[in-house]
Amino acid sequence: GQQLNQSPQSMFIQEGEDVSMNCTSSSIFNTWLWYKQDPGEGPVLLIALYKAGELTSNGRLTAQFGITRKDSFLNISASIPSDVGIYFCVSMNYGGSQGNLIFGKGTKLSVKP
Amino acid sequence: NAGVTQTPKFRVLKTGQSMTLLCAQDMNHEYMYWYRQDPGMGLRLIHYSVGEGTTAKGEVPDGYNVSRLKKQNFLLGLESAAPSQTSVYFCASRTPSGSPYNEQFFGPGTRLTVL
Repeated sequence: GQQLNQSPQSMFIQEGEDVSMNCTSSSIFNTWLWYKQDPGEGPVLLIALYKAGELTSNGRLTAQFGITRKDSFLNISASIPSDVGIYFCVSMNYGGSQGNLIFGKGTKLSVKP
Repeated sequence: NAGVTQTPKFRVLKTGQSMTLLCAQDMNHEYMYWYRQDPGMGLRLIHYSVGEGTTAKGEVPDGYNVSRLKKQNFLLGLESAAPSQTSVYFCASRTPSGSPYNEQFFGPGTRLTVL
């Protein structure tokens, strides 16, 4: 089946540092999504990307849809303690009847105050 | 709006027992999904439904059954629980069209342990 390779698996950073994580696939997708999961909660959508090359920001978060349509990255600037959680890259092919999501394995972010 | 709710939050079963997990959404969404999340893994799709009375298999359907008798509810059943089904289960829902975002809204999860 289709797989997403997300890295790094985990990060331990100091408050105020910038964070970068990425996701690659051998398959082409027309949609990339980034979700965050707080401890004990379900995932919540952070950013959605629909065009190759698209760069989108949401506050301190910036994500890009790779030109090849096989990758995406997420950057978090000036991290704060509430950024702690698991970040998932998620892909899909928009327009399918099911809208089924394919999840990466996640990047677990820990922030030291 | 409560969004997506799941019942129960926690459950411990013995091997061979059966149970039903309930998902409810009050957003009038057509599509609903059941996922499982295992340590170090992303979410994997078990079953989904594109409307009342319809269901379909996802990536890991074996050992599970589902029903969508009402639009707002999606039930996940385990007929004979196995230790391999120890996991956190998430329900999600979304609209099929109208919004370009295809955002799935997730419930808080049900933590199931099978002994």
